[in-house]
Amino acid sequence: GENVEQHPSTLSVQEGDSAVIKCTYSDSASNYFPWYKQELGKRPQLIIDIRSNVGEKKDQRIAVTLNKTAKHFSLHITETQPEDSAVYFCAASITGTASKLTFGTGTRLQVTL
Amino acid sequence: GAVVSQHPSRVICKSGTSVKIECRSLDFQATTMFWYRQFPKQSLMLMATSNEGSKATYEQGVEKDKFLINHASLTLSTLTVTSAHPEDSSFYICSARAAGGVTDTQYFGPGTRLTVL
Repeated sequence: GENVEQHPSTLSVQEGDSAVIKCTYSDSASNYFPWYKQELGKRPQLIIDIRSNVGEKKDQRIAVTLNKTAKHFSLHITETQPEDSAVYFCAASITGTASKLTFGTGTRLQVTL
Repeated sequence: GAVVSQHPSRVICKSGTSVKIECRSLDFQATTMFWYRQFPKQSLMLMATSNEGSKATYEQGVEKDKFLINHASLTLSTLTVTSAHPEDSSFYICSARAAGGVTDTQYFGPGTRLTVL
């Protein structure tokens, strides 16, 4: 089955700096890669996703890049703000009726003033 | 749009009792719902995939007789933790995937924190 590794496990940045979280996946058939943000005790919220037919996607301060050859994808947050502090999870799946998400281990991002 | 609710949000029960958790898609139909368990400071672990009108598919290591799943309609799936024990204490989260679309996006419920005494 699919295996997703995520690094780093914790990340502390100063407000205004950029944050990068990296994930690798094992199954070359995976073609859908969402990123979720989870605040303490809350539900995971989809913040951005990318499909294997594109290499990069951007939404305001958030961007995701995908390298299919190397089987890794990354989340980039620019101009970080204190409200970006949360746990971020990457995930991978193969699209289709039987698809299921395999999650990374999570990255705790702390944005300090 | 794409709102998923869960009930209850918190439950405390005695060891040996059963607890039912409901997951509803409020503004869309979900042919597939997923049940996850999340221990403190850990990732989401998929327990089972629930398809409307058919038996759930359980992940390896998850006891289907202990975690009963019913997906009787396109907007409701239930998870019953039978004979709960303290080690079942966890954060249970459901998600739903919209029917008929090309997207694989999963929308998550707010979670249920189960504490077994």
